[in-house]
Amino acid sequence: DQQVKQNSPSLSVQEGRISILNCDYTNSMFDYFLWYKKYPAEGPTFLISISSIKDKNEDGRFTVFLNKSAKHLSLHIVPSQPGDSAVYFCAATEYGNKLVFGAGTILRVKS
Amino acid sequence: DTEVTQTPKHLVMGMTNKKSLKCEQHMGHRAMYWYKQKAKKPPELMFVYSYEKLSINESVPSRFSPECPNSSLLNLHLHALQPEDSALYLCASSQFPSCAYNEQFFGPGTRLTVL
Repeated sequence: DQQVKQNSPSLSVQEGRISILNCDYTNSMFDYFLWYKKYPAEGPTFLISISSIKDKNEDGRFTVFLNKSAKHLSLHIVPSQPGDSAVYFCAATEYGNKLVFGAGTILRVKS
Repeated sequence: DTEVTQTPKHLVMGMTNKKSLKCEQHMGHRAMYWYKQKAKKPPELMFVYSYEKLSINESVPSRFSPECPNSSLLNLHLHALQPEDSALYLCASSQFPSCAYNEQFFGPGTRLTVL
């Protein structure tokens, strides 16, 4: 049973436009959500996070939105750059214990 | 120093071999983790060490044996592995275990191939 779902396996966006990556979860006990970016043959790199008491968190070009009632979060990247091309994993945790990852979305930013 | 290092980068071993993976962090983090990632799949948690004690074992087969010699080091001892154990093995650390707002920082991984 997948507790964290990323239903779009891939996304292609033009450079300079907005990239929106989506994530749904089923476990209402999750209290912290994270986005990781991963290049091939490297470990995941922490990008941005949000706690369940907030609905938005911004860090430069990256913004994460959380809709608790819909059990949905999204990552917005504006403007998208070719270097953003990578696999993006959504992850969730219940009080800092094990991270549960989604299946990942491959983002391709075309120049 | 804000990174997690892992050695070796690549490892090829036979099913009768014994080998070890090593992970190190110098961020003063008190929780360390082993994950396994198969191709085109997300990382899956294997073990969690909290304050140098094993706190979570996700029903991992005994051919994988973790060890935490001190707060900076984490090892994964491998023995009698199967070809299906071939994967990318990721180590991670976080400041505190079982704590809200707890980002995990990952190493680059060890690519393991079992022949």
